Amino acid sequence: EVQLVQSGAEVKKPGATVKISCKVSGYTFTDYYMHWVQQAPGKGLEWMGLVDPEDGETIYAEKFQGRVTITADTSTDTAYMELSSLRSEDTAVYYCATGLGIHYFDYWGQGTLVTVSS
Amino acid sequence: EIVLTQSPATLSLSPGERATLSCRASQSVSSYLAWYQQKPGQAPRLLIYDASNRATGIPARFSGSGSGTDFTLTISSLEPEDFAVYYCQQRSNWPFGPGTKVDIK
Repeated sequence: EVQLVQSGAEVKKPGATVKISCKVSGYTFTDYYMHWVQQAPGKGLEWMGLVDPEDGETIYAEKFQGRVTITADTSTDTAYMELSSLRSEDTAVYYCATGLGIHYFDYWGQGTLVTVSS
Repeated sequence: EIVLTQSPATLSLSPGERATLSCRASQSVSSYLAWYQQKPGQAPRLLIYDASNRATGIPARFSGSGSGTDFTLTISSLEPEDFAVYYCQQRSNWPFGPGTKVDIK
């Protein structure tokens, strides 16, 4: 069974950095890209970026370029998303997602709520 | 950069009715478009990929059509569990549309 299990909720102050993990099981981690998606409260889905776990190559959405770092640890089959210089507008649920054999997202993590508040 | 727009923003229908949702791309995406369903408090679920292919386990009442810049998601007869928000997504840089909420009339 394919599973993507994310780390728990976080509360951060403005200007801080948050790092969220996404541990996968049930498939070969290095075979497929891992994507991250942001969803602010009551808002839509926003693609943030991806990592190719096989070689660590990344692609980031322009909106998050310079503030987001996505990595993959193949020794633990875990992907990470780090977002820096947090501001209140970054309060959101963050999802990891992957597509096994298709270029869309057929498996998702459960989501991690990040609250940015002073 | 390809931008996706969805219409209507909200669709108010009764169970058993047919739902027709639209997604338009700012330039051609060929058939490389997906549809997702999201219910409150849940992660999105892939319904349709490459415009017309149902994902694994998706009921036959969901169908997708279109190519180029205009796409449609059709729910032939709404079940109570279908009231949700629906997003389209294209696979080049993976942006999502703003969503269509299907709510109960």
